[in-house]
Amino acid sequence: AQTVTQSQPEMSVQEAETVTLSCTYDTSENNYYLFWYKQPPSRQMILVIRQEAYKQQNATENRFSVNFQKAAKSFSLKISDSQLGDTAMYFCAFRGTTSGTYKYIFGTGTRLKVLA
Amino acid sequence: DTGVSQDPRHKITKRGQNVTFRCDPISEHNRLYWYRQTLGQGPEFLTYFQNEAQLEKSRLLSDRFSAERPKGSFSTLEIQRTEQGDSAMYLCASSLAVGAGETQYFGPGTRLLVL
Repeated sequence: AQTVTQSQPEMSVQEAETVTLSCTYDTSENNYYLFWYKQPPSRQMILVIRQEAYKQQNATENRFSVNFQKAAKSFSLKISDSQLGDTAMYFCAFRGTTSGTYKYIFGTGTRLKVLA
Repeated sequence: DTGVSQDPRHKITKRGQNVTFRCDPISEHNRLYWYRQTLGQGPEFLTYFQNEAQLEKSRLLSDRFSAERPKGSFSTLEIQRTEQGDSAMYLCASSLAVGAGETQYFGPGTRLLVL
């Protein structure tokens, strides 16, 4: 069974600084997708970034980038130039590509606080 | 297109009552998912539909839970004989499956409190 582990329950960063959130996962599949979602306080889950396992190039979306290490089964999120609006829970998620694995498996989340 | 919507946003009920939640996915999305999220945890998968067919159910989904997607559009999640342990946020997500690739878009959730 697939598992997703986020070992940092809480983190804080100064505004304009860079922070990296960690995520590791376990799977026997070769092709899969990884995601980072952001859930602001009392607001809905928003997709931050997505990575396809068969692509070696790390995904980037503006200030957000990932470090995808397939062999190590590691998928960290780097937020550059942190902004107050980045304060939220961040969830790492895994999705397989074979029938029966389409559901997302989420980690327990990292609460990020951006300090002014 | 206004995204995934869920109704109601909040529900308070007494133990033993039945509740029903509705999810309206993004139009033309063929897959619809239900998740449950408790405080401080990530969402846990409950079930998903492709069009009107329910293709997978989690072992978390006891006999008191039932979900439908009668015409492949909106979906309902019913909980019968609610228990205090059912208190949680119930999230709906939809996606357009293209081959093996898709991205799920989440609704705002329905927060259930069972007294």
